[in-house]
Amino acid sequence: EIVLTQSPATLSLSPGERATLSCRASQSVSTYLAWYQQKPGQAPRLLIYDASNRAPGIPARFSGSGSGTDFTLTISSLESEDFAVYYCQQRTNSIYTFGQGTKLEIK
Amino acid sequence: EAQLLESGGGLVQPGGSLRLSCEASGFTFSSYNMNWVRQAPGKGLEWVSGIGGSDWTIYADSVKGRFTISRDNSRKTLYLQMNSLRADDTATYYCARKWSGGNTCGFDLWGQGALVTVSS
Repeated sequence: EIVLTQSPATLSLSPGERATLSCRASQSVSTYLAWYQQKPGQAPRLLIYDASNRAPGIPARFSGSGSGTDFTLTISSLESEDFAVYYCQQRTNSIYTFGQGTKLEIK
Repeated sequence: EAQLLESGGGLVQPGGSLRLSCEASGFTFSSYNMNWVRQAPGKGLEWVSGIGGSDWTIYADSVKGRFTISRDNSRKTLYLQMNSLRADDTATYYCARKWSGGNTCGFDLWGQGALVTVSS
């Protein structure tokens, strides 16, 4: 099973700052990686699919990069609604695993 | 508007069974691979099972042999039959649609979730 390790576990930033979230895979997943945002009491929302493609309706301040084993989600300038938990997800042979999540909190 | 609506959650005793349903609307259900993802209280996301449009199925090791995923395209409904339930199956279960077709990674549509509690 491919393990995804997200860092940091918690990220404390202020609105307007830049956020950089990391996801590392235990073996190569090519570009089969997605990023989600989840707020309390809500279902996850797809932000990025296939490592670097923004899902429809996702603001341009969200961007994804990486391939192989190292991936990054960048939020260029934080807005108040961006404070949430973020998960990465990989797909290998139709089996999926998620990272443990990064909590983005207001500093 | 595309939507997914889960039902069938509830309280069940250890060793018991429960069937979840997920009704789709607003899109061509039969054209999409569908999945179940769960989230234990206060924990992260765990993929449970997936099914293709042609009915191939796949499971996480943690539920293999106990859970069965199926679909009825005429009813636009996804199912998860859960048997031999354990306390660690307690979670909110989400149905989720895989983004587009082919080799992609991402679930672009999620239901609101159904809470399953396994307890005596």
